[in-house]
Amino acid sequence: AQSVTQLGSHVSVSEGALVLLRCNYSSSVPPYLFWYVQYPNQGLQLLLKYTTGATLVKGINGFEAEFKKSETSFHLTKPSAHMSDAAEYFCAVSRNTGNQFYFGTGTSLTVIP
Amino acid sequence: GAVVSQHPSWVICKSGTSVKIECRSLDFQATTMFWYRQFPKQSLMLMATSNEGSKATYEQGVEKDKFLINHASLTLSTLTVTSAHPEDSSFYICSAPESPWNEQFFGPGTRLTVL
Repeated sequence: AQSVTQLGSHVSVSEGALVLLRCNYSSSVPPYLFWYVQYPNQGLQLLLKYTTGATLVKGINGFEAEFKKSETSFHLTKPSAHMSDAAEYFCAVSRNTGNQFYFGTGTSLTVIP
Repeated sequence: GAVVSQHPSWVICKSGTSVKIECRSLDFQATTMFWYRQFPKQSLMLMATSNEGSKATYEQGVEKDKFLINHASLTLSTLTVTSAHPEDSSFYICSAPESPWNEQFFGPGTRLTVL
């Protein structure tokens, strides 16, 4: 069975501050992990993914995430928040990239000017 | 990268009518597609797995007779919401893997409003 927990349904940061969005997963097999961003009334945009190899994954728009097997975590970070980062962020787990995804409940990021 | 489209992007219908939503893989073939539902301010929940040439696999709690899925070709899956009711109002998103082991691509979603 696979599941994802995102701690914090709402996160607010000041513009220029560090962004940290938390994701913990549960998986009976080595997981594939993803972060997606969703803007209002739009579909999902892939930020980054971990499949195998290097545990620190860099994505688009300056985001990165680190796979920590011992902590079953895949937290998303960005050193300096931008106003355009305000959106809903979803963490997801899958058995592989072609299988169904299991999504976390999402974290709404607000960036304060 | 590969593109998945959905049509329509937005639909309003009266209660009791049926609505068909199309999901197309535009430049690749997809033997499998997935349908998700997202209620306002909530996460995406997998509804069913659409399989080309065979019956769809539904997640627990999803009524197969209400949400009819047809995977007619390697590039098209349709979701028909039959006898829609206001509680079916939601954002429906499909996804398709470019191949069984490759990246999955999500459609832009279809917002259904049932009056």
